[in-house]
Amino acid sequence: AQSVTQLDSHVSVSEGTPVLLRCNYSSSYSPSLFWYVQHPNKGLQLLLKYTSAATLVKGINGFEAEFKKSETSFHLTKPSAHMSDAAEYFCVVSLMEYGNKLVFGAGTILRVKS
Amino acid sequence: KAGVTQTPRYLIKTRGQQVTLSCSPISGHRSVSWYQQTPGQGLQFLFEYFSETQRNKGNFPGRFSGRQFSNSRSEMNVSTLELGDSALYLCASSGTDQETQYFGPGTRLLVL
Repeated sequence: AQSVTQLDSHVSVSEGTPVLLRCNYSSSYSPSLFWYVQHPNKGLQLLLKYTSAATLVKGINGFEAEFKKSETSFHLTKPSAHMSDAAEYFCVVSLMEYGNKLVFGAGTILRVKS
Repeated sequence: KAGVTQTPRYLIKTRGQQVTLSCSPISGHRSVSWYQQTPGQGLQFLFEYFSETQRNKGNFPGRFSGRQFSNSRSEMNVSTLELGDSALYLCASSGTDQETQYFGPGTRLLVL
């Protein structure tokens, strides 16, 4: 079965330092993977999507993610954290066998210190 | 284009009551999905509708139901509310790229 595991429930960084949010996936085929962000009391915003066209995917707000099949990973990175990046981030896999369904990781809360 | 809208944004109900939540997808999107978000269980898939037909269903009891109208707007209904139904209910729509879902702000339901 397809699933994602986010390796850290909380990550804390200082403003201006790099961000790394880790995600491993499990899939019997090449999956479609996403990162979404949720700010407090808000809905989910799509950051980026991987669909096998390119292993390095650029998203909004300076985020990018690299798909590594050998490591079954899809880690999210940003070179320099901003205070506004503080939020919860979800790694997500899409299941299209019967209709459309997203399976979410447990989420990683990113804290950005000034 | 306007995003996904959900009404109401906040709702307080008591146990045993029923509730109906509404979702208007992005214009032109025909697929609407619903998710429940709770601190304990995270984000869980409820169901998906496409062209007024339920195409996929998650592992929730029959108290949770939904429907989609010809204009792609969708409603979900929860009957005989339980305390554990307190959650943020998120609606998402997708268009020609059916895998990519765009989420609304959610409806926060509190069951007392």
